[in-house]
Formats: sequence, structure tokens, C-alpha cells
Amino acid sequence: DAKTTQPPSMDCAEGRAANLPCNHSTISGNEYVYWYRQIHSQGPQYIIHGLKNNETNEMASLIITEDRKSSTLILPHATLRDTAVYYCIVRPGGVTTDSWGKLQFGAGTQVVVTP
Amino acid sequence: DAGVIQSPRHEVTEMGQEVTLRCKPISGHDYLFWYRQTMMRGLELLIYFNNNVPIDDSGMPEDRFSAKMPNASFSTLKIQPSEPRDSAVYFCASSLTGNYGYTFGSGTRLTVV
Repeated sequence: DAKTTQPPSMDCAEGRAANLPCNHSTISGNEYVYWYRQIHSQGPQYIIHGLKNNETNEMASLIITEDRKSSTLILPHATLRDTAVYYCIVRPGGVTTDSWGKLQFGAGTQVVVTP
Repeated sequence: DAGVIQSPRHEVTEMGQEVTLRCKPISGHDYLFWYRQTMMRGLELLIYFNNNVPIDDSGMPEDRFSAKMPNASFSTLKIQPSEPRDSAVYFCASSLTGNYGYTFGSGTRLTVV
């Protein structure tokens, strides 16, 4: 499975957009990019996922480069409640793939939103 | 929807005792996952089930750990005998087949003294 690289930490001002980068240069054609976050003392929370098109939902936007080797999670208006560890994960799309169920979390990016 | 429900929220036990962690997945979800989180190792996948059948238990640390899913609405993770190094937060998650996100429970914080 492709590995991901994320910065260990970043700060963001409240009300501003937070742009979280993720590098996945070895991603293969059938692998999706998933983003989760974990607020302190809580279970991880699914945010968004995509294959090659940009995606948007009520929580965030996901921008995937054309070559799919990197992506950016955008929190459009960061709030203090967005302070969390954000995980970028790549995962095969086919459920018949042995590794489909093995969602592997790395170290993630610690995002701190400040007033 | 009550989400994924785990019990207990906190467990403190003495070394050598048996510990049982419980999970109720979201109704209709056909995948269930058990993870463990520590400061040193982060989030680790222990085992996952599809339609109540264990698919991959390669992450289970040793024979002291066992997991069962007797029906679609209940799973247990058992540690016998427990050791101090088993102290961690244990998360259960469930998902539908397909490209969907997982829903995690609130976790069980286990402390073995």
C-alpha cells in the first residue's frame, strides 16, 4: 500500500482556512485518499475521501493533484473545535483486495487553531 | 443513530486478570474493526470482521488476545491474562462494504496495574 507523508504540526488562526498537505507519491490507480481527524480523547472521525476528483462536503474540501501524488485537505473556516490530529490515508478501492480492511493510521498532523 | 457503542469507557484491572471489552456496531454495518492506541505505537489495527467472520487478525499482539463476533450487533475483545503493557485505549469501528468511512466508538481506556 502507498505510504503518506504529512507535516507533524501546523498552526492556524481561527476563522481562516486551514490547508493540510499530504504527499502520497507512490499511490496506485485504484487507491483512494481518506482523511480522518482525532480530537483529543475521542475516537477518530471520518472527514472525506476521494479518488481523483476534488470533493467537498459539509466538513471540508479535498483537492487531489492531477498526478494524484499529493492532496490537500481544506477546512474553509477553522474554529477552535477543529484542533485535532489529522490523518491522511491511502487505501485500495476494491473490497476484495486483502488490504482493503487494513486502514493504517500514521502519525498525522497536529493542527492547533488559535484565537 | 447512537453510533458505535463501546463499554466500559474505563477499566482498571490488576495484572493477570481477564479483561473483556465490548462493542456494538452501527446497525446494518457489515464490517467491524478493533484498534489499539498508545503514545508509542499510535493507532494499530488488531483484527477486523466481515459479516461476523474474522478476516484478518494479524495485528493481534499475541495469544493472550482474542476477539469474537457472535452476531451482527455485538463483538468482544478479550485479554487473558492482562499485563501492564496492554494499557492503552481500545477503539472499535464499523463500516459498510464499499468506499465509505469508518465510524469509531469513543474507546475503552484500559489500565493494567
